[in-house]
Amino acid sequence: DTAVSQTPKYLVTQMGNDKSIKCEQNLGHDTMYWYKQDSKKFLKIMFSYNNKELIINETVPNRFSPKSPDKAHLNLHINSLELGDSAVYFCASSQDSNNSPLHFGNGTRLTVT
Amino acid sequence: AQSVTQLDSHVSVSEGTPVLLRCNYSSSYSPSLFWYVQHPNKGLQLLLKYTSAATLVKGINGFEAEFKKSETSFHLTKPSAHMSDAAEYFCVVLTGGGNKLTFGTGTQLKVEL
Repeated sequence: DTAVSQTPKYLVTQMGNDKSIKCEQNLGHDTMYWYKQDSKKFLKIMFSYNNKELIINETVPNRFSPKSPDKAHLNLHINSLELGDSAVYFCASSQDSNNSPLHFGNGTRLTVT
Repeated sequence: AQSVTQLDSHVSVSEGTPVLLRCNYSSSYSPSLFWYVQHPNKGLQLLLKYTSAATLVKGINGFEAEFKKSETSFHLTKPSAHMSDAAEYFCVVLTGGGNKLTFGTGTQLKVEL
């Protein structure tokens, strides 16, 4: 009965590959997010969707493409992976996009070799 | 633009002693502020939030924070540390529409016997 679940937990891949990370929330929330945490534990928002519509799109390379098939899912696809993409990626959700607290998944540790 | 600065990257306390994790904010108007905790290999969990109601905010696990406008601070405290409090703590400010959050650089709390 995990609230925000993301898969896989670990992902090791080579440069140039394309990979996807999946996220699902069973909280009935309207808004979902992707955050990136670097090796120094700094967290930065990448994308946010509200009811399947993109509402936040930070300065992220266009190799990163989020997809929200429904409001319970927000997947992250990454093309042509680079060494610098190595990080922990966190999915989160909130009731709405107006100052609601975020509920985070446990993260996906991506390692690009 | 709103931002937060966490003044200590590492804090070490003995079990049973008080905890103080410092955070200063910068905002042109009354900010919405949060503290999140991240245990090793886990996602982030909301401890507490301030949204211009009471200046002393009580959170989970005995933590509380006081909003001090005159000092532009939002320090996190706990009267008595427990071993299970050892984690990374993030001070966070709401910085934009769509529930956009900006995270501080984090403070790692170590609790010793």
